[in-house]
Amino acid sequence: EAAVTQSPRNKVAVTGGKVTLSCNQTNNHNNMYWYRQDTGHGLRLIHYSYGAGSTEKGDIPDGYKASRPSQENFSLILELATPSQTSVYFCASGDAQGEVFFGKGTRLTVV
Amino acid sequence: QQKVQQSPESLIVPEGGMASLNCTSSDRNVDYFWWYRQHSGKSPKMLMSIFSNGEKEEGRFTVHLNKASLHTSLHIRDSQPSDSALYLCAASDSNNRIFFGDGTQLVVKP
Repeated sequence: EAAVTQSPRNKVAVTGGKVTLSCNQTNNHNNMYWYRQDTGHGLRLIHYSYGAGSTEKGDIPDGYKASRPSQENFSLILELATPSQTSVYFCASGDAQGEVFFGKGTRLTVV
Repeated sequence: QQKVQQSPESLIVPEGGMASLNCTSSDRNVDYFWWYRQHSGKSPKMLMSIFSNGEKEEGRFTVHLNKASLHTSLHIRDSQPSDSALYLCAASDSNNRIFFGDGTQLVVKP
């Protein structure tokens, strides 16, 4: 089965600090995505990538940067974390048909 | 404005009953639709996909798609308590961006 691994799984950060969320996929999928999910709600697209070296803005990119240094790795960076960025973050990779495979999520709390 | 809208927000059905969930996209650039299921504390997993007009059935699950109105629905017959979850509708556009709705929280009562 498709494998997407996120780290860390839980993170507490201080307001104004820098946070990096990492994601690794072994599916050899070109497309990768970062979403956030707030309690009881759906997924909102932050950034996505079509392959190594590419990053594109999703629906809610403000306050976030992304980096895709290789086919396997896709990072989400919060340069100046704020409490409003407290959420669960999901990384995913997508196959050619568009099916998306998710990691287990990272629970981020900004205090 | 969110590209994918789902209704109802929540749904309670008795065990053995039929659950019907709806999803519409407001973006005419959307090509394909998926339904994902997310159990509490877990990550979403793809349940069914539908790419062309009509109906698709897999076991107790049936999806319908009307591409002209960009409306899809998911029907679960003989609902089981294990079907209780958040059901997310997703749509992709020609740039392979995948957008999700806010979901329908389904509770199946024994």
